[in-house]
Amino acid sequence: EAQVTQNPRYLITVTGKKLTVTCSQNMNHEYMSWYRQDPGLGLRQIYYSMNVEVTDKGDVPEGYKVSRKEKRNFPLILESPSPNQTSLYFCASSLSYGNQPQHFGDGTRLSIL
Amino acid sequence: AQKVTQAQTEISVVEKEDVTLDCVYETRDTTYYLFWYKQPPSGELVFLIRRNSFDEQNEISGRYSWNFQKSTSSFNFTITASQVVDSAVYFCALSDPGAAGNKLTFGGGTRVLVKP
Repeated sequence: EAQVTQNPRYLITVTGKKLTVTCSQNMNHEYMSWYRQDPGLGLRQIYYSMNVEVTDKGDVPEGYKVSRKEKRNFPLILESPSPNQTSLYFCASSLSYGNQPQHFGDGTRLSIL
Repeated sequence: AQKVTQAQTEISVVEKEDVTLDCVYETRDTTYYLFWYKQPPSGELVFLIRRNSFDEQNEISGRYSWNFQKSTSSFNFTITASQVVDSAVYFCALSDPGAAGNKLTFGGGTRVLVKP
């Protein structure tokens, strides 16, 4: 089954404790990205990757890191999480850049205390 | 700058009623893509449809239909004979291939509540 898989689905952690949210897609998609969804602010792009070893900042990259060492994986790293990073996070992938629909994972709900 | 406006924040209907969700977009580009996504209570984002700026044909898929009107910059979505399972938040989104990041610009979403 074609899918984007995120882990964990839910996480409660404390300020400053490094965490990684994994994202993996099995569709051989070139393009991957991360969004966060917040009440009143909607969905905003954090980082994106057009292909292996190619990543760039989205609209709200502060406090996050990403890497794209393999085509299928695009982890989101919070080196020193803070409470303002409490949010619902989505990973997405698409076949290519531009006109292809982005397919989203099921989301990861992070709570930073 | 791109912008997507979904003026209706919440719509409540009784099962079997039709419901139309409005979406108005702004972009300076002549080539762009429009999407609708559904976010059910379980939280995932489900892709429903894509439309490119050169294709103004309306589309029907089962009980769903979409009306794209370039002249009014609108891409409205109708659910016919709504069902309880249609209860969700629906997002309209815009993608401009020329913009950095292939970013989807989302509207604020319309919450649809279908009552039995």
